[in-house]
Amino acid sequence: DAGVIQSPRHEVTEMGQEVTLRCKPISGHDYLFWYRQTMMRGLELLIYFNNNVPIDDSGMPEDRFSAKMPNASFSTLKIQPSEPRDSAVYFCASSPIGAEAFFGQGTRLTVV
Amino acid sequence: AQTVTQSQPEMSVQEAETVTLSCTYDTSENNYYLFWYKQPPSRQMILVIRQEAYKQQNATENRFSVNFQKAAKSFSLKISDSQLGDTAMYFCAFSINFGNEKLTFGTGTRLTIIP
Repeated sequence: DAGVIQSPRHEVTEMGQEVTLRCKPISGHDYLFWYRQTMMRGLELLIYFNNNVPIDDSGMPEDRFSAKMPNASFSTLKIQPSEPRDSAVYFCASSPIGAEAFFGQGTRLTVV
Repeated sequence: AQTVTQSQPEMSVQEAETVTLSCTYDTSENNYYLFWYKQPPSRQMILVIRQEAYKQQNATENRFSVNFQKAAKSFSLKISDSQLGDTAMYFCAFSINFGNEKLTFGTGTRLTIIP
């Protein structure tokens, strides 16, 4: 398996624009996680899914953030409208039941 | 709520030496899981080692081993015979359920291996 695949790897956008981050989890994994990494706040969980169903979205910072998982092989994290403080590295991770999470390489988002 | 504390923002050691990274945590749970993740400059988060709280034996993975002190809520990582490729950020993390719950991360320790 190619591992967790995130796209794009880098994204630069202007404030106010919509941003969509994409994730393909490892096939067969039941759980999918979205994390955000910043210098100020470190690594924090935004939302996670079990079998495509959102389980805990308490880490989603604002209504500007939304995440979907339409099927077992694809998830998106959308920010609309984006703001400079959203600049961060966004990680997607997946795990099977009873095993550790595997992380993608992350998307570095810069909002100018 | 769980918290994870890494009190060493940066460390550096000579190649081939042994280094220990510290981590303490706070939880009211009795069963949980602890992890050390490595993040090299490539940004990839890589699992180094894991420890189940119900296991008394400390986990080891080749040159990496942990010292798990449940009563003291301490979980340190020892890297033996350090190599240049060990240069990275190291994050201690906590989870109630193995892979099925959120990971709570510490703030990380930047480790530099000096040639």
